[in-house]
Amino acid sequence: GAVVSQHPSWVICKSGTSVKIECRSLDFQATTMFWYRQFPKQSLMLMATSNEGSKATYEQGVEKDKFLINHASLTLSTLTVTSAHPEDSSFYICRGVGGHYGYTFGSGTRLTVV
Amino acid sequence: DAKTTQPTSMDCAEGRAANLPCNHSTISGNEYVYWYRQIHSQGPQYIIHGLKNNETNEMASLIITEDRKSSTLILPHATLRDTAVYYCIVETGGGADGLTFGKGTHLIIQP
Repeated sequence: GAVVSQHPSWVICKSGTSVKIECRSLDFQATTMFWYRQFPKQSLMLMATSNEGSKATYEQGVEKDKFLINHASLTLSTLTVTSAHPEDSSFYICRGVGGHYGYTFGSGTRLTVV
Repeated sequence: DAKTTQPTSMDCAEGRAANLPCNHSTISGNEYVYWYRQIHSQGPQYIIHGLKNNETNEMASLIITEDRKSSTLILPHATLRDTAVYYCIVETGGGADGLTFGKGTHLIIQP
């Protein structure tokens, strides 16, 4: 079946630094990548949608200059959290969609900003 | 807002069938019912989906009422590893939508 590999699985960074999260579709071409955020004991919230070769579209309330998304190829999408602050600490999850595959999530990245 | 309603939590004895209900009374004709589960600190895992017929795969069965306003996910022989949050989602199919997650049902399998 379709696999989306997400790295890193966890990261701790200092306040003010940037962190990059990668999602790779290993056995299919992800024309679309969805990015979600999940705070403790809450459900997943859609942050943004990226289509290969196009600018990402962001959900209301999500700062596009803070959460930079790049989807330059059909197998790789990245989310960069710029100038991270403690309130950005969360669980970030991607989901790749392509062809017949729309059900595959990455394993998630636990970001802790100290 | 999520278009589904699920109980917040449920318990089930190991080895028994776990039946998880979901209400989706405003579902439209072209929307499918999808079920995912999320084990703590992992990404959601696809379980099953259906439009109007009952479906079964190696993980679970999905029973959809004739009026399509509700459904039940059945895990036939629950194990401790089935402890997770289960999400019922309606969407138009193919996974091309952004998926709106509700709060889900926290299923706890008791030994």
